[in-house]
Amino acid sequence: NAGVTQTPKFQVLKTGQSMTLQCAQDMNHEYMSWYRQDPGMGLRLIHYSVGAGITDQGEVPNGYNVSRSTTEDFPLRLLSAAPSQTSVYFCASSYVPGSSYEQYFGPGTRLTVT
Amino acid sequence: GENVEQHPSTLSVQEGDSAVIKCTYSDSASNYFPWYKQELGKRPQLIIDIRSNVGEKKDQRIAVTLNKTAKHFSLHITETQPEDSAVYFCAAPAPNTDKLIFGTGTRLQVFP
Repeated sequence: NAGVTQTPKFQVLKTGQSMTLQCAQDMNHEYMSWYRQDPGMGLRLIHYSVGAGITDQGEVPNGYNVSRSTTEDFPLRLLSAAPSQTSVYFCASSYVPGSSYEQYFGPGTRLTVT
Repeated sequence: GENVEQHPSTLSVQEGDSAVIKCTYSDSASNYFPWYKQELGKRPQLIIDIRSNVGEKKDQRIAVTLNKTAKHFSLHITETQPEDSAVYFCAAPAPNTDKLIFGTGTRLQVFP
């Protein structure tokens, strides 16, 4: 099993550009989530999903969209990139309820917005 | 909602000494408390977790204790080794949601 995979590993965007961070898992987990990691701020939840067709907001959802059309994939869209979105983004998956089971993290995407 | 505070933000110990990291949470209904370790440049990985029906759990050199009355839980690492150097995160669920809220992390450095 590949576990949780993320693409790309690195990305540089200009302010105002849009892009999609990809996340996929092959463990048949219903729960998937996106976190951003900033120095001194820990891991902050952006959006999460408890199954295909169901998404909800986390702690810091503004500026990001998600959708969940399949169990395997959970892409994160940046609508209009801002320098404040410079961060490392981690996708994670788990059994449901996701807040009560081990989170399996992907390798991360390092995003820089100039 | 849930608020998780973690202390200290940095911790330096000599190899062989013990290290203790403490987290407090705000919602008394929280019932699951994991700890994650993140080595430099790597992804976070679960190292130990505890549920609210027990007060302590051990796994070799690491242990987690839970005090529900005081709403805090701690990670204890004994006989520290250089490979324990990493950032450690605690977390707690926000009750009535499926959100897992993380603390801000503790950078542990173990000096030989």
